[in-house]
Amino acid sequence: GQQVMQIPQYQHVQEGEDFTTYCNSSTTLSNIQWYKQRPGGHPVFLIQLVKSGEVKKQKRLTFQFGEAKKNSSLHITATQTTDVGTYFCAGEGDYKLSFGAGTTVTVRA
Amino acid sequence: NAGVTQTPKFRVLKTGQSMTLLCAQDMNHEYMYWYRQDPGMGLRLIHYSVGEGTTAKGEVPDGYNVSRLKKQNFLLGLESAAPSQTSVYFCASSLLAYNEQFFGPGTRLTVL
Repeated sequence: GQQVMQIPQYQHVQEGEDFTTYCNSSTTLSNIQWYKQRPGGHPVFLIQLVKSGEVKKQKRLTFQFGEAKKNSSLHITATQTTDVGTYFCAGEGDYKLSFGAGTTVTVRA
Repeated sequence: NAGVTQTPKFRVLKTGQSMTLLCAQDMNHEYMYWYRQDPGMGLRLIHYSVGEGTTAKGEVPDGYNVSRLKKQNFLLGLESAAPSQTSVYFCASSLLAYNEQFFGPGTRLTVL
């Protein structure tokens, strides 16, 4: 069945540095979504990517959907303390949405 | 516009007890979902509904039942709670299938 894997599981970042988290699927996806969950909070939708090779930006966040529609990445530049939380990708395929286990980000000031 | 609300926020049960978690949304969404979140395992779909009066099994349905008698409400029941059901439960809704999901604040359940 469809599986969505995220790496790394944990990311410790110095404030001001950049980092990337990756999402990989075992099958081709129709679309991929990204969510952010702050500590103690609930997941909040960030973005959805649909097209092969699509790139979307939200301020310091850049989201990319792979050409084969089996992987995606989230790149954050100039990390701030407000970026703390867990970032989940969720891939749609085979008529279901599968969430990755998430990348938990901590920031050193 | 409250979005998605869940009650209760916290609950402690003894093994074998039953309870119902209530989810309500005021966005007129057709699709509603129940997830559980455990450390290192992300969000796993328990049951979902594609409209009033419909329910379907998700990835981890065993030990849970659901009902969607009204479009705005989606109930999750545990008939005989087990310690393995200790988790944080999130309800979500969406306008379209497989599109942006709006999550409730969650219910933290502990089964002793």
